[in-house]
Amino acid sequence: EPEVTQTPSHQVTQMGQEVILRCVPISNHLYFYWYRQILGQKVEFLVSFYNNEISEKSEIFDDQFSVERPDGSNFTLKIRSTKLEDSAMYFCASKTRQSSYEQYFGPGTRLTVT
Amino acid sequence: GENVEQHPSTLSVQEGDSAVIKCTYSDSASNYFPWYKQELGKRPQLIIDIRSNVGEKKDQRIAVTLNKTAKHFSLHITETQPEDSAVYFCAAASGGSYIPTFGRGTSLIVHP
Repeated sequence: EPEVTQTPSHQVTQMGQEVILRCVPISNHLYFYWYRQILGQKVEFLVSFYNNEISEKSEIFDDQFSVERPDGSNFTLKIRSTKLEDSAMYFCASKTRQSSYEQYFGPGTRLTVT
Repeated sequence: GENVEQHPSTLSVQEGDSAVIKCTYSDSASNYFPWYKQELGKRPQLIIDIRSNVGEKKDQRIAVTLNKTAKHFSLHITETQPEDSAVYFCAAASGGSYIPTFGRGTSLIVHP
């Protein structure tokens, strides 16, 4: 069964550095998402992406964040200047169509900012 | 926006017992209620979902009930097994954005 994949599984970075988290959604999916989960807390929506543009974003997704689909398979989340509070698990998800509720999550990237 | 509350935060049961996790939501426009199971360090996985036109749905040992009037929904796990131990998240989504709002999660511990 096809799965969403994410790399790296764990990223350690220093405060102020830029990080890029990578995701490969399921191949026939058209809608892509990033979520964040701070340790021990709920999963929080960051941004949704369709047709090469952001369709919706949350208050968390400020100017420090950006997303991109640089080619036909990858979907990336960039954090320009990381802060300690960016330390979290970041999940990518994808789904087939806009009216579908079911999203498929990737295994996550644990980001640790020191 | 939608607000989902989930209780309890931790639930400890003996193997074979039943477990019930409850959630409430605030947005009456929400019409899709998924439940995710997240094992330690792994991705959230959809285990069951219910839509607002249905009051109850069952899949083997798990069932979900929905009360739209009261805006609450529950997950029921019967005959619990140690491998049911995980964090369970409820969520609610509406046809407007189809993006789920998650509850805070319930850590279920099943003791052998």
